[in-house]
Amino acid sequence: QQPVQSPQAVILREGEDAVINCSSSKALYSVHWYRQKHGEAPVFLMILLKGGEQKGHDKISASFNEKKQQSSLYLTASQLSYSGTYFCGTVPYGGSQGNLIFGKGTKLSVKP
Amino acid sequence: NAGVTQTPKFRILKIGQSMTLQCTQDMNHNYMYWYRQDPGMGLKLIYYSVGAGITDKGEVPNGYNVSRSTTEDFPLRLELAAPSQTSVYFCASRNRGEGGNTIYFGEGSWLTVV
Repeated sequence: QQPVQSPQAVILREGEDAVINCSSSKALYSVHWYRQKHGEAPVFLMILLKGGEQKGHDKISASFNEKKQQSSLYLTASQLSYSGTYFCGTVPYGGSQGNLIFGKGTKLSVKP
Repeated sequence: NAGVTQTPKFRILKIGQSMTLQCTQDMNHNYMYWYRQDPGMGLKLIYYSVGAGITDKGEVPNGYNVSRSTTEDFPLRLELAAPSQTSVYFCASRNRGEGGNTIYFGEGSWLTVV
């Protein structure tokens, strides 16, 4: 049930763009995106609930495909502060809506 | 606003000892979680609760127990600590319903079993 994230790691120069993918073999009730800096707790970025949904704030956005099995996180014009590990968390259909499982994470490093 | 509070922040246990990680939230959230995170790895769900008196196993429940006697508190009990339980433990909470799905994490508890 663990979602699959790709890539495992990304290295960017400031100003470059990145896409992080999160996929599941089964349809999902929701997808959550979080960023974690070293030694700190994860911080919520956004949640997607509807198939075909896109949302975002500032230069970070995300989409949820129509089948609700894949989500992508888009980081545009990256800044040094975007560095960290990004996790998607998924709630599958058919089980408890409290069951929130995370992927293994994508480590993003933004260099000057 | 305290949010999610975990104690202790750091603890060293000897093999075979037992301890309880405390977690309390003041946001009246229905759902509460315990995750563990090994160095350089992702978050693994240990147990979760959808309300007082209800708990469910997550991905890695073996060696742990939980209880949820009140909405606010969700303690995690480690019985017979083993080196494999060395990890960072995060408690988290969120509300039920589409409008309240932001999950809030505690600051983490660093546990070493020697």
